[in-house]
Amino acid sequence: GIQVEQSPPDLILQEGANSTLRCNFSDSVNNLQWFHQNPWGQLINLFYIPSGTKQNGRLSATTVATERYSLLYISSSQTTDSGVYFCAGPHSSGAGSYQLTFGKGTKLSVIP
Amino acid sequence: DSGVTQTPKHLITATGQRVTLRCSPRSGDLSVYWYQQSLDQGLQFLIHYYNGEERAKGNILERFSAQQFPDLHSELNLSSLELGDSALYFCASSVGGGGTDTQYFGPGTRLTVL
Repeated sequence: GIQVEQSPPDLILQEGANSTLRCNFSDSVNNLQWFHQNPWGQLINLFYIPSGTKQNGRLSATTVATERYSLLYISSSQTTDSGVYFCAGPHSSGAGSYQLTFGKGTKLSVIP
Repeated sequence: DSGVTQTPKHLITATGQRVTLRCSPRSGDLSVYWYQQSLDQGLQFLIHYYNGEERAKGNILERFSAQQFPDLHSELNLSSLELGDSALYFCASSVGGGGTDTQYFGPGTRLTVL
């Protein structure tokens, strides 16, 4: 299956700062999802982004499929952005089934 | 709100016991996936059902089983529980089971085995 690596593993930001999180994958993927896991444990879909760039408010994501990486940009960070950010790509186990393989995550702490 | 519901939110039980976790997918989604998140293993795929049929198994222990019912809700049964089974269990759903389908995750069930 694919390997997914995320960097950095930990990030501490002052409120208002910008940041870039990176996700590298070992093989080509036709889907990539970014999630935010909040301090209560909920996994929230941020982006479905197999290629190109998408924006949602202060967050945007870019996937360069040919180079096997994706970037998540957080601008003007807020304390509510704290949590763990995961990227995940699909892995086929045959029989038409694709499950997500997750990276280890980037733990973001935004301090006031 | 993803539209995927899971019950219960929290479960505390003892070693050796059996528990059942329940998941209702988003309306219209035929696929249900189960994932386990533990501190040492991260987020790992357990099993995938599509329209009532098992499609794929991941790192699922033999003590664990699952099924998807005709109304498409799914249950994950964990038996002979061990301390190491303590984890957050997520259910996700998608329209199909393809590699281009977005998976939407439920709020999770936090299992604590004492």
